[in-house]
Amino acid sequence: DAEITQSPRHKITETGRQVTLACHQTWNHNNMFWYRQDLGHGLRLIHYSYGVQDTNKGEVSDGYSVSRSNTEDLPLTLESAASSQTSVYFCASSVDRDYGYTFGSGTRLTVV
Amino acid sequence: DQQVKQNSPSLSVQEGRISILNCDYTNSMFDYFLWYKKYPAEGPTFLISISSIKDKNEDGRFTVFLNKSAKHLSLHIVPSQPGDSAVYFCAAGGSVGRLYFGRGTQLTVWP
Repeated sequence: DAEITQSPRHKITETGRQVTLACHQTWNHNNMFWYRQDLGHGLRLIHYSYGVQDTNKGEVSDGYSVSRSNTEDLPLTLESAASSQTSVYFCASSVDRDYGYTFGSGTRLTVV
Repeated sequence: DQQVKQNSPSLSVQEGRISILNCDYTNSMFDYFLWYKKYPAEGPTFLISISSIKDKNEDGRFTVFLNKSAKHLSLHIVPSQPGDSAVYFCAAGGSVGRLYFGRGTQLTVWP
């Protein structure tokens, strides 16, 4: 069965470290998205991609980067982790750009 | 500026009663609306959607109503069950390149 997987499920890192969160989907979806979920803020878009070699900034992209070298993967990199980036991160993919998102199970990141 | 707003962060309803979750939007370009449900430690999952050409869509106990003139939609759950306790996100899209999500409403259904 096709799926979307995120790894790791939990991560603790130190301030200033570079961290990469993985997202892998086997739906063959062109569109992939990274969100963070924080209490009181809901789901906020970090970065998204409409296809290989395409990346776009979302509302809260500062301090984050993504790259899309193939259809299946959209890794999210925190260049220099900050305590404000402690959050739960969700990856999603879709056939259409603005409906039918399928979400991964999330990565809980703690920056200490 | 938030384009999709869920003004009630929480809602508490007794089992068997109706739950009504509300959502407002500001962008007239939106023509497709969705509700996602999220349990703790899981990703959001699609629940129900509605196109702007309709004003109601029903799926079992779940009904979504759309009032385009008021830029308002609501999700009705009848009857509510304890397993419905979750965070519900309203989302909007269609011709805008991506989905916009509200901040979510925590629904608690008590016995």
